[in-house]
Amino acid sequence: EDQVTQSPEALRLQEGESSSLNCSYTVSGLRGLFWYRQDPGKGPEFLFTLYSAGEEKEKERLKATLTKKESFLHITAPKPEDSATYLCAALTTDSWGKLQFGAGTQVVVTP
Amino acid sequence: DAGVIQSPRHEVTEMGQEVTLRCKPISGHDYLFWYRQTMMRGLELLIYFNNNVPIDDSGMPEDRFSAKMPNASFSTLKIQPSEPRDSAVYFCASSLAGLGPREQFFGPGTRLTVL
Repeated sequence: EDQVTQSPEALRLQEGESSSLNCSYTVSGLRGLFWYRQDPGKGPEFLFTLYSAGEEKEKERLKATLTKKESFLHITAPKPEDSATYLCAALTTDSWGKLQFGAGTQVVVTP
Repeated sequence: DAGVIQSPRHEVTEMGQEVTLRCKPISGHDYLFWYRQTMMRGLELLIYFNNNVPIDDSGMPEDRFSAKMPNASFSTLKIQPSEPRDSAVYFCASSLAGLGPREQFFGPGTRLTVL
């Protein structure tokens, strides 16, 4: 059974304190690994898609990386506005449209 | 672009009543998805359409749930009769077709409370 697991469940950071979120996946065949950000009361907002092991993508203070078993979202020198829940999702070869979401990591950045 | 539009944003109803959630996808997008999000189960795909045709409805929990897409710019998710366990946030998302996996753009969601 396809599974996507995120850790930790919650992360509290001081402003400027860099950290990484983990997304491990066990799927039949990976077509793409997606990262989303979700603010309270809003829908998930797309951040990155990674397609193959070794790939990296960056956006401001965020950098996503992918291996054959997991993906990391690195947050460098976070600011309070980076506080959100970060979701990863896997798209498998079994189904075009079915994103398998992890439970998310809730990140709080304090000044 | 206005993004994905959902209505209503909040819905409170009593058990047994019919509930209809509405979605307008981003213009030009070929795919439309309905998700449900709860604390216990996270974000779950209910059903998705391609060019207005339902492709996979295996995530629809029961026959009480139905979804339609009469045209490229409108979709509904109906629950009849509603039950308290249907309380959740329901998201609609849309996506472009492409050679590879394409990102899905989510609407703001409808928070449903069934009393």
